[in-house]
Amino acid sequence: GDSVTQKEGLVTLTEGLPVMLNCTYQTIYSNAFLFWYVHYLNESPRLLLKSSTDNKRTEHQGFHATLHKSSSSFHLQKSSAQLSDSALYYCALSGGSNYKLTFGKGTLLTVTP
Amino acid sequence: ETAVFQTPNYHVTQVGNEVSFNCKQTLGHDTMYWYKQDSKKLLKIMFSYNNKQLIVNETVPRRFSPQSSDKAHLNLRIKSVEPEDSAVYLCASSTDWGGVQNTLYFGAGTRLSVL
Repeated sequence: GDSVTQKEGLVTLTEGLPVMLNCTYQTIYSNAFLFWYVHYLNESPRLLLKSSTDNKRTEHQGFHATLHKSSSSFHLQKSSAQLSDSALYYCALSGGSNYKLTFGKGTLLTVTP
Repeated sequence: ETAVFQTPNYHVTQVGNEVSFNCKQTLGHDTMYWYKQDSKKLLKIMFSYNNKQLIVNETVPRRFSPQSSDKAHLNLRIKSVEPEDSAVYLCASSTDWGGVQNTLYFGAGTRLSVL
């Protein structure tokens, strides 16, 4: 079945440093969509960005990710971390006729001054 | 702007009690979901309804039962709660069922603590 791996459960960064949260996946479906959802404390989880196009950079709110089907990866990046980026980030996958979203375990990003 | 509303925000109860959580979405979506976010922050789908019809029923204990009166409402009842039911229950909606590109819109969650 489908699976999503987020290796880091916890990432702590100093403000201003670059952010990279890893996401790799497994699926047999060529039409797979990859998503990043962000869950700020005391708020609702919401979509940050999504993509199904190989090797195309997708950007939103200063974050970007590129789907690489050759390496089954969809890493989330930002050039400079801000304190307000502290949140729980989920990578997720849907594909085929299985429209059910498969979530990774989540990465808690903490940005310190 | 919040468009998926969950009540209550928090609920504390004792083992064996029955609890009910409510969810309403004002987005006009056809599909609604219940997810469980456990203490390790794992997000797992429990149920999904499309136009009031149950379409996904993951392997959850039988004490959990969803109820939908119309496509804008999806409630969750837990009959006789257990300690492992302590979690955040997240309601979500999407435009329709079957689109792999569909975005989920989440509510703020109901945090359940079972003593």
